[in-house]
Amino acid sequence: KQEVTQIPAALSVPEGENLVLNCSFTDSAIYNLQWFRQDPGKGLTSLLLIQSSQREQTSGRLNASLDKSSGRSTLYIAASQPGDSATYLCAVNTGNQFYFGTGTSLTVIP
Amino acid sequence: DTAVSQTPKYLVTQMGNDKSIKCEQNLGHDTMYWYKQDSKKFLKIMFSYNNKELIINETVPNRFSPKSPDKAHLNLHINSLELGDSAVYFCASSQDRATQETQYFGPGTRLLVL
Repeated sequence: KQEVTQIPAALSVPEGENLVLNCSFTDSAIYNLQWFRQDPGKGLTSLLLIQSSQREQTSGRLNASLDKSSGRSTLYIAASQPGDSATYLCAVNTGNQFYFGTGTSLTVIP
Repeated sequence: DTAVSQTPKYLVTQMGNDKSIKCEQNLGHDTMYWYKQDSKKFLKIMFSYNNKELIINETVPNRFSPKSPDKAHLNLHINSLELGDSAVYFCASSQDRATQETQYFGPGTRLLVL
């Protein structure tokens, strides 16, 4: 059974810092991996989708990498802003199911 | 022009009642999902459904049943509500199950069982 873990559970950084969020999964047989953002009391917004054949994806200040063989993905946020404060979730698609991590709660301090 | 919508946004009800949550997507997607997010913010899939197949997470009690009147709707019916059913329920959709595209999520329905 697929298990998805995110470290750290919470992170607080001053504005302007670059940061890395980590996601690990136990079964490398995946179709793709997605990073989502969830604001308090809101639904999930997709940030980046990496197919199993890809190594990384970039969108603006966000860069996500995928190392399928080691079961790891990272989300790199450059020049963090207070508006980046939210919970970040990674999700693994096995073709039949989506497995979500427990999330990293990010606070960017002005 | 909301992509995935859910109603109601909030639902407060007594233990033992039967309730339904509605979900609609206007993206033309073939697959829809229901997720439960518990108090610890852990998001767990309950069902994935398209017009061909329903996949049920084996941990979901049979008091929960999805009903799809058409491809754009997947409603969640819950019978004999229990205190532990209190959570946020998210509906989502994607083009297909083994998709190369993203899932789109609804805003969530916050269910509180008293």
